[in-house]
Amino acid sequence: SQKIEQNSEALNIQEGKTATLTCNYTNYSPAYLQWYRQDPGRGPVFLLLIRENEKEKRKERLKVTFDTTLKQSLFHITASQPADSATYLCALLDGGSQGNLIFGKGTKLSVKP
Amino acid sequence: NAGVTQTPKFQVLKTGQSMTLQCAQDMNHEYMSWYRQDPGMGLRLIHYSVGAGITDQGEVPNGYNVSRSTTEDFPLRLLSAAPSQTSVYFCASRATGFGSNQPQHFGDGTRLSIL
Repeated sequence: SQKIEQNSEALNIQEGKTATLTCNYTNYSPAYLQWYRQDPGRGPVFLLLIRENEKEKRKERLKVTFDTTLKQSLFHITASQPADSATYLCALLDGGSQGNLIFGKGTKLSVKP
Repeated sequence: NAGVTQTPKFQVLKTGQSMTLQCAQDMNHEYMSWYRQDPGMGLRLIHYSVGAGITDQGEVPNGYNVSRSTTEDFPLRLLSAAPSQTSVYFCASRATGFGSNQPQHFGDGTRLSIL
């Protein structure tokens, strides 16, 4: 079965630097991969979706890459701000026909001023 | 602009009690799902529904029941609460689109403690 690994439980960076979060999967390459942000006490909020035929996707200060050879997606936040501090989750299809998502355990990002 | 609404936000139960976690969405989404989130485990799918009258099991369905009588509502029932069901429960919905690549919309969760 498909497994997702977000190999950093926590990432601490200085304000203004670029944060890079990693998501690896173990089995088949999914048709697309999604990234979510979760703040304490809140539900996850969708940020970006990248398809398998897209190498890169951007939205404001966010950039996502998708490398099906490495079975990896990278999530970048440029010019990071303390307000970017949150847990970031990657998600992809579980391979069934119903479109269920499976989620990584998340990476907690802390941006220090 | 409510989105996905979950009630209650917090609940404490005694072992063996039953209860229903409510979930409602106002986006006319066909697909709805329930997850539980535990420290170190991430989000795990409990049950899901692809439309009114259709439900199916996810990764961790034991001890839970669901029904979907309307498009808007998808309640989750704990039949006989156990301490292992202490968790944060999230309901989510999404539109059904090509390749099912639509983003999921989550509620803010129900924090459940079983004593």
